[in-house]
Amino acid sequence: QSVLTQPPSVSGAPGQRVSISCTGSSSNIGADYAVHWYQQLPGIAPKLLIYGNIIRPSGVPDRFSGSKSGTSASLAITGLQAEDEADYYCQSYDSSLSAYVFGTGTKVTVL
Amino acid sequence: EVQLLESGGGLVQPGGSLRLSCAASGFTFSSFAMSWVRQAPGKGLEWVLSISGSGGNTFNADSVKGRFTISRDNSKNTVSLQMNSLRAEDTAVYYCAKETGQYWQQPDDAFDIWGQGTMVTVSS
Repeated sequence: QSVLTQPPSVSGAPGQRVSISCTGSSSNIGADYAVHWYQQLPGIAPKLLIYGNIIRPSGVPDRFSGSKSGTSASLAITGLQAEDEADYYCQSYDSSLSAYVFGTGTKVTVL
Repeated sequence: EVQLLESGGGLVQPGGSLRLSCAASGFTFSSFAMSWVRQAPGKGLEWVLSISGSGGNTFNADSVKGRFTISRDNSKNTVSLQMNSLRAEDTAVYYCAKETGQYWQQPDDAFDIWGQGTMVTVSS
């Protein structure tokens, strides 16, 4: 049972903007630990998409952006493309569990 | 090219043991902490264990405490996962992942490189 909660699914038409929330608590995101985001295409290993709340690794399109406020974080995808259809996970650290924690995951569907 | 390659997965009976290995290449292996992350069929990601770059420190999720151990050989650029007393709920794809930091239990570490994963099935 994850301590980071994400919506099970979001969807949008090509070209639209979608946003995925990641809600935590005072022992993880609210403790000012960094939030990272991963994209997992079907049947493939996860790929780091955003790290340190807002930083895109080299090669990640600037259509992807991250933000963080209080006990929550968000991933936004602008100009949605068919290739963005995947599962997305947030990740942080939880001091109460002394563990790295992942969000529940969100499936993005391009209509 | 930075790469991680896992091996050792398979079918094992409940209560049995299995050892997974991960071979790293393309980066200074001893400079980074390494983790194992698993994903049960149709489920989300779960961090399992982590080891510091030197190999001197480890920490683990409560779900595997006392049953799984992580180790590394920096001379061979490998990290291993020893799994004992396996249970049906340990059935998952196990991924080896490189962390962005070097030291033990760094809260802001991300997992920037992932292997392709190896399947472990615990069933009689």
